[in-house]
Amino acid sequence: EPEVTQTPSHQVTQMGQEVILRCVPISNHLYFYWYRQILGQKVEFLVSFYNNEISEKSEIFDDQFSVERPDGSNFTLKIRSTKLEDSAMYFCASSGPGATGELFFGEGSRLTVL
Amino acid sequence: GENVEQHPSTLSVQEGDSAVIKCTYSDSASNYFPWYKQELGKRPQLIIDIRSNVGEKKDQRIAVTLNKTAKHFSLHITETQPEDSAVYFCAAKGMNRDDKIIFGKGTRLHILP
Repeated sequence: EPEVTQTPSHQVTQMGQEVILRCVPISNHLYFYWYRQILGQKVEFLVSFYNNEISEKSEIFDDQFSVERPDGSNFTLKIRSTKLEDSAMYFCASSGPGATGELFFGEGSRLTVL
Repeated sequence: GENVEQHPSTLSVQEGDSAVIKCTYSDSASNYFPWYKQELGKRPQLIIDIRSNVGEKKDQRIAVTLNKTAKHFSLHITETQPEDSAVYFCAAKGMNRDDKIIFGKGTRLHILP
């Protein structure tokens, strides 16, 4: 069964450093998302992406965040200058052209900012 | 924007008994309501979903009900088993294909032996 894959599974970085989290969505999917989950809290929407542009972004997704689909398969989330409060699990998700709207989540990338 | 409220935040149930988790949503345009189960350190896994043209859906021991007028939806797990212990999230999504899913705060379900 096709899956959304994410790398790295865990990244430790120093505050102020740039981080890139990578995702490979399911191949025939058209809609891509990043979500964040701080430990013990709910899954929060960051950004949605369709047709090579951002469809919607949340208040969390400020100027330090950016997304890109550089090569037609990868979908990346860049955090320009990490802060302690960026420590969280970041989930990539994708959905297909079907009517259900079901989101398929990747395994997540755990980001620890020291 | 959409807001999803979920109760209770924690629920302890004796093995074999039923568990009920309730959610409300604010945006009447939402028409897709998935439920996710998340085990510690893992990704959310879809366990059941319901669309707004249906009032109830059942899959073995899991059922979901939707009251669109009241903007309530609930998850029912019958004959609970130890492996049902996890965090459960309700969520809501609008009718457009690229609409985001908004999650509730989650319910930590403990199945007691």
